[in-house]
Amino acid sequence: AQSVTQLDSQVPVFEEAPVELRCNYSSSVSVYLFWYVQYPNQGLQLLLKYLSGSTLVKGINGFEAEFNKSQTSFHLRKPSVHISDTAEYFCAVSSSASKIIFGSGTRLSIRP
Amino acid sequence: DGGITQSPKYLFRKEGQNVTLSCEQNLNHDAMYWYRQDPGQGLRLIYYSQIVNDFQKGDIAEGYSVSREKKESFPLTVTSAQKNPTAFYLCASSSPGRNQPQHFGDGTRLSIL
Repeated sequence: AQSVTQLDSQVPVFEEAPVELRCNYSSSVSVYLFWYVQYPNQGLQLLLKYLSGSTLVKGINGFEAEFNKSQTSFHLRKPSVHISDTAEYFCAVSSSASKIIFGSGTRLSIRP
Repeated sequence: DGGITQSPKYLFRKEGQNVTLSCEQNLNHDAMYWYRQDPGQGLRLIYYSQIVNDFQKGDIAEGYSVSREKKESFPLTVTSAQKNPTAFYLCASSSPGRNQPQHFGDGTRLSIL
């Protein structure tokens, strides 16, 4: 069975500081991983995805994530955050052919 | 532009009343999904459909019903049997395959009067 754990429910960080949002997964089959962002009162938007190949995946808005098979992790990083990055971030793993399992989310709050 | 349209954005329900949430997509996706989102609980799958005229229960289907008569449309009915319907409801769609991401609408917020 597949599962996703987001280790931090909230992450406060100062503007222009780097940030890492942690995600660990478990999967009994080949892994496809995703990060989504949700701004207040909106749906989820795909930030990036890992399907195969390079373990460092670049996404939109300057975010990147690194797939680490040995540590079963897929942490999201940004070298310098902006106020506009304030949102909730969800890590997800592909389950069966038609289902994705989402983590419980990490709320990123940016302090000026 | 292609996308997913959910309506209405806000919906109020009286006790004992059924309400239907609309979800339409023009992405030509075969699969569609309904999720419920509560604070601090992430997304929970209510129902999903991989093809027209077929759908499956997700993790929290009790008190909900769906139909999939057209590829573009996947309406969700919240019945009076759902005792705690207040939540944010999200509709999504995707192409077939485990490596396909889901695309989301902007959600409907349902509240009890």
